[in-house]
Amino acid sequence: DGGITQSPKYLFRKEGQNVTLSCEQNLNHDAMYWYRQDPGQGLRLIYYSQIVNDFQKGDIAEGYSVSREKKESFPLTVTSAQKNPTAFYLCASREQGRTEAFFGQGTRLTVV
Amino acid sequence: ILNVEQSPQSLHVQEGDSTNFTCSFPSSNFYALHWYRWETAKSPEALFVMTLNGDEKKKGRISATLNTKEGYSYLYIKGSQPEDSATYLCAFLNTGNQFYFGTGTSLTVIP
Repeated sequence: DGGITQSPKYLFRKEGQNVTLSCEQNLNHDAMYWYRQDPGQGLRLIYYSQIVNDFQKGDIAEGYSVSREKKESFPLTVTSAQKNPTAFYLCASREQGRTEAFFGQGTRLTVV
Repeated sequence: ILNVEQSPQSLHVQEGDSTNFTCSFPSSNFYALHWYRWETAKSPEALFVMTLNGDEKKKGRISATLNTKEGYSYLYIKGSQPEDSATYLCAFLNTGNQFYFGTGTSLTVIP
């Protein structure tokens, strides 16, 4: 079955540690996106990638980094520079053009 | 930062009522407007992808309209059922492939 997988579902980290969230898709989609959701707020765009080895910052990229070495994979690293990393993180992918997006199940990161 | 706004933020309706939500988005650099339904503990699922001014789409009891010139879209649910309870998200896709979501409308249908 084709789909998009995020892992893990829940993640706990100590303050000051970097952590990498995984996002893998086997839908052969070119575009991939990372979003962050805080309680009572909408999805905010962190980074997006339209093609392998290329990515752009979204509205809240500070304290995050990404890579796109393979079409299937778009991992997000939450660095120690991110002031408030505790949040729900959602990954999405879509084909180029006016097509719908598909989403992972999300990762809830808690930094203590 | 692109502003995609949805209203109302939350809505409680009785089973059988019809309801509608609004999504407003920038009218420049428009490429597509998406609607998604997001149930608790699940991933968002696409309802509609709308691309042309004046588009109207329908899926069962749910329909949507699009006005790209003034930058708004409406989602309508006719005869709401408890299984319609979810958060409804709209998302604006611009010509630069940036994909921005609104804050969502949380719908609760009371049996």
